[in-house]
Amino acid sequence: AQSVAQPEDQVNVAEGNPLTVKCTYSVSGNPYLFWYVQYPNRGLQFLLKYITGDNLVKGSYGFEAEFNKSQTSFHLKKPSALVSDSALYFCAVRDEGGFKTIFGAGTRLFVKA
Amino acid sequence: ETGVTQSPTHLIKTRGQQVTLRCSSQSGHNTVSWYQQALGQGPQFIFQYYREEENGRGNFPPRFSGLQFPNYSSELNVNALELDDSALYLCASTPGGSWNTEAFFGQGTRLTVV
Repeated sequence: AQSVAQPEDQVNVAEGNPLTVKCTYSVSGNPYLFWYVQYPNRGLQFLLKYITGDNLVKGSYGFEAEFNKSQTSFHLKKPSALVSDSALYFCAVRDEGGFKTIFGAGTRLFVKA
Repeated sequence: ETGVTQSPTHLIKTRGQQVTLRCSSQSGHNTVSWYQQALGQGPQFIFQYYREEENGRGNFPPRFSGLQFPNYSSELNVNALELDDSALYLCASTPGGSWNTEAFFGQGTRLTVV
């Protein structure tokens, strides 16, 4: 069965510092991995995805994520955090041929000025 | 902003009532999924419709049902509302048959059951 774990409920980082939001997954076949961001009282916005190819994926707003098959991880990263990055971040996985996307519980990111 | 729109944005219902939530898909997308997001949790998959047929369902009881129309807009119906049904309901559309494509989400409908 598919599953996604985001081990941190909250990540705090100072503006200008690098940030990492962690995600691990479990699927039966090849994974399709996604990161979404949610601002208060809003729907989810797509940030980036890993389908195949390079393990380092670049996405919107300067975010990137590193796919690690041996560790079944897909951590979200950004070299220099902005206060405006403060939001709720969700990792999601869909298995090959699957119709269902499974979301993690979310990690709240606080960036302090 | 995506091209997915949901209505209404907020709704208050009484326990035992029925509710219908609506979603208009992104242009060109023929697949719609519905999710329930309880406070402080990630979205939980309810079901998915592809070309007017349900082609996948999560762990939700039959009182959660849906429809997709020929123009690919969609409805989520919930009967016999319970207090635990209070949540943000999200609609997401994707191009059909594209497992590797990201979903486009609407802004959600906040349902409160009292």
